Amino acid sequence: GAGVSQSPSNKVTEKGKDVELRCDPISGHTALYWYRQSLGQGLEFLIYFQGNSAPDKSGLPSDRFSAERTGGSVSTLTIQRTQQEDSAVYLCASSLRSGAGQPQHFGDGTRLSIL
Amino acid sequence: ELKVEQNPLFLSMQEGKNYTIYCNYSTTSDRLYWYRQDPGKSLESLFVLLSNGAVKQEGRLMASLDTKARLSTLHITAAVHDLSATYFCAVDLDTDKLIFGTGTRLQVFP
Repeated sequence: GAGVSQSPSNKVTEKGKDVELRCDPISGHTALYWYRQSLGQGLEFLIYFQGNSAPDKSGLPSDRFSAERTGGSVSTLTIQRTQQEDSAVYLCASSLRSGAGQPQHFGDGTRLSIL
Repeated sequence: ELKVEQNPLFLSMQEGKNYTIYCNYSTTSDRLYWYRQDPGKSLESLFVLLSNGAVKQEGRLMASLDTKARLSTLHITAAVHDLSATYFCAVDLDTDKLIFGTGTRLQVFP
């Protein structure tokens, strides 16, 4: 079956521009997560959504980062006024539900480069 | 703050040999995950360990969890080239946020 789908796969943009990254989770998965992978910081949690509950935003590095999940399915991660330190691979994952020890299934990521 | 440490960070091993990767974490948890990542690819779930003493095996890989020691191991038996990848452990503090280890880059040579 279809896995977690992310778009675009690569994004190059100039410093100061806004970017939107999209994630389409596995059908039926109620939990959705965003992580960031960079050389300097490794794999970092950013935000997660579970059903209709308020998202856990505790990993967002600054108020330039925001995310939403529409209709309990597709999610968009937005970075405003991008900085060079935002360059990383942004990974989305989904799982059947949170709190149950379910493995998270990851997409291929969006490689973001800020010039 | 939960810290997750893996060692070694880099492992170069000959085909046919055995080795163990260690994952230590700083706060009590009984949920630990192992993932594999190939270069330029995403993370593939390998094992989910949910209790003290849990042991899971798949092919040449075996993972175990000791929650009292806050330690998980990933044992490689008779390594083959196809196992070359980066392996990550991740801990979940019942918050559903995965805290990842630093990763162990494994290279298997003939």
